[in-house]
This record gives sequence, C-alpha cells and structure tokens, in this order.
Amino acid sequence: DQQVKQNSPSLSVQEGRISILNCDYTNSMFDYFLWYKKYPAEGPTFLISISSIKDKNEDGRFTVFLNKSAKHLSLHIVPSQPGDSAVYFCAASGDNFNKFYFGSGTKLNVKP
Amino acid sequence: GAGVSQSPSNKVTEKGKDVELRCDPISGHTALYWYRQSLGQGLEFLIYFQGNSAPDKSGLPSDRFSAERTGGSVSTLTIQRTQQEDSAVYLCASSLARLAQETQYFGPGTRLLVL
Repeated sequence: DQQVKQNSPSLSVQEGRISILNCDYTNSMFDYFLWYKKYPAEGPTFLISISSIKDKNEDGRFTVFLNKSAKHLSLHIVPSQPGDSAVYFCAASGDNFNKFYFGSGTKLNVKP
Repeated sequence: GAGVSQSPSNKVTEKGKDVELRCDPISGHTALYWYRQSLGQGLEFLIYFQGNSAPDKSGLPSDRFSAERTGGSVSTLTIQRTQQEDSAVYLCASSLARLAQETQYFGPGTRLLVL
C-alpha cells in the first residue's frame, strides 16, 4: 500500500509559467517532507524540504506548501524553465527517520 | 568532491543467478540507504545502515536479498537466485547523519535486468 502518492505521472508547462506538482500521503505520523528532482540516468537530487511545523517553505523559484489536514503537499516552480524538465519525487518520513517513503514521481516537461 | 558512486551501472543476468551491487558512499557519511525503483513505481526502501549499528533490514522484500557494509563505508547489496521481478533500478544514498533533516545524496543507480 503506497503511503505517498503522486497521482499525475506527467505535467507539461510553458516556459515562464508556474508548475504545480502535487503529492498526497496517508500516514498522519509523517512530519517531514522532501522533494527530489531526477534527471535521466542520474540519481535523485534533493530540492527542498518542509517540516510539519510549517505550512510553507520557499527557496528561490521553488516553494513547497503543506496542508496537514488534507495530507497534501505541493511544489510550485515559478517561473518554470526548460532546465526544470525532470522527474520530481516527493518523499515523507515519520518518527522512524530510518525510512523514507517516496511517491512514484511526476515527469515535468517545460516547453520553451 | 566525489559523490556517491555505484557499480555496475547496468547488469543483465539470467534468472536464478546471484548478483552483487556495490555502493561507495560519500566519505564521512555515516548513514547509507538502499532503494529500489521498479518501472512506474516510486523509490522503495530496502535497507539502512547507520555507523556500526545493526542495519534496519525491514524493507528487504525477501530472504534472497542481503546487504553488507564493510568498515562503515562501502556497501554491497546481494540478490541470490534472481527472479524477473527483481528487475529494477537499485539506488544507493548516503547522508551525514541519522536525521531526516540531513539530505540524502543518491548515486546514479544500477539498472538490473533479469532475463
């Protein structure tokens, strides 16, 4: 049973517009969330994180929003750039920090 | 500095054979993770090492899977009597410490195909 879900396998956005990637989770014990970006033939690289004590974290063009009541988080990229084209994974961790649960990824295509 | 490296980058094997996958973490990173990504799936946690502590093996899918970490550095994931459903990308990650807040750095993965 997947505890972290990314229901959109792909997303296409025009350069300069906003990209919104969504992620849902089922385990209310999760209290730390991360987004990773993955280019083909490379391992995922850390992008941004958020703790459950916050509902928003911003880093440059990237903002992550957390809605704990809805068990939903989203990653906003604005403005989107062609170099942002990659697969984006969300991940969650709870009181057992050994384990990270990953979504299945959303492939973002930013068109020039 | 050098990142996490994994070898081989690709491995094709016949069903029933054993395979060994290697991970070299970033120097000084005490935590090491193995994940598996099957086609269309997210990263599935397999095993976690932290320093000299006993590893958390709770994610290993069967007793055909085992992993070692020698000297707190290099790790080897072994799959015995491979099955076709073992075909996946196997990713290794390391981090500085045992905290979720510590960023995990991933290697490029080993693509395993079991025929």
